[in-house]
Amino acid sequence: DQQVKQNSPSLSVQEGRISILNCDYTNSMFDYFLWYKKYPAEGPTFLISISSIKDKNEDGRFTVFLNKSAKHLSLHIVPSQPGDSAVYFCAARTDYGGSQGNLIFGKGTKLSVKP
Amino acid sequence: ETGVTQTPRHLVMGMTNKKSLKCEQHLGHNAMYWYKQSAKKPLELMFVYNFKEQTENNSVPSRFSPECPNSSHLFLHLHTLQPEDSALYLCASSQGQRGAVDNEQFFGPGTRLTVL
Repeated sequence: DQQVKQNSPSLSVQEGRISILNCDYTNSMFDYFLWYKKYPAEGPTFLISISSIKDKNEDGRFTVFLNKSAKHLSLHIVPSQPGDSAVYFCAARTDYGGSQGNLIFGKGTKLSVKP
Repeated sequence: ETGVTQTPRHLVMGMTNKKSLKCEQHLGHNAMYWYKQSAKKPLELMFVYNFKEQTENNSVPSRFSPECPNSSHLFLHLHTLQPEDSALYLCASSQGQRGAVDNEQFFGPGTRLTVL
């Protein structure tokens, strides 16, 4: 039973347009959400995060939105660039119980930005 | 070397072999993690070490045996694996704080393991 779901395995976007990657979660105890980016043959690298007390966090071309009532977050990339082509993982964290700081990952969405 | 390194990058082994995966972090972190990524599945947490103590074993079969001799090194010893254990094994590290929660984990490039 997946607690973090990325229902779109792939997304293709034209260069310069907006990329929107979606993530849904089921556990209302999650208090922190992160997005990781992964290129082939490399490990995931941290991109941006958001605390559950906020609904938006922006860093340059990347913005993450959190809708707690819908248990949904999204990553917006604008404008999209060919170098953004990678797999994007959504991850959630909870600090309850004995699993302090452990991350639960989604399956990832492969973004392709076409020139 | 900077960041988190893993060796070997690729490993092919038979079901009767014994091998070890190595992870080293140069970030001064205190927490280290092993993850497994199988095809079309989410990253699955396997083990967590915080200040050299194992704090999480996510119901991993005993044919996987972790070892953390110090805060900078993490090993995953493998023996009598099954073909379904073929996957990408990722190591990560984080600051690690006693009694508090980390936010960001830094990942190594992974070891692509194939079990024949």
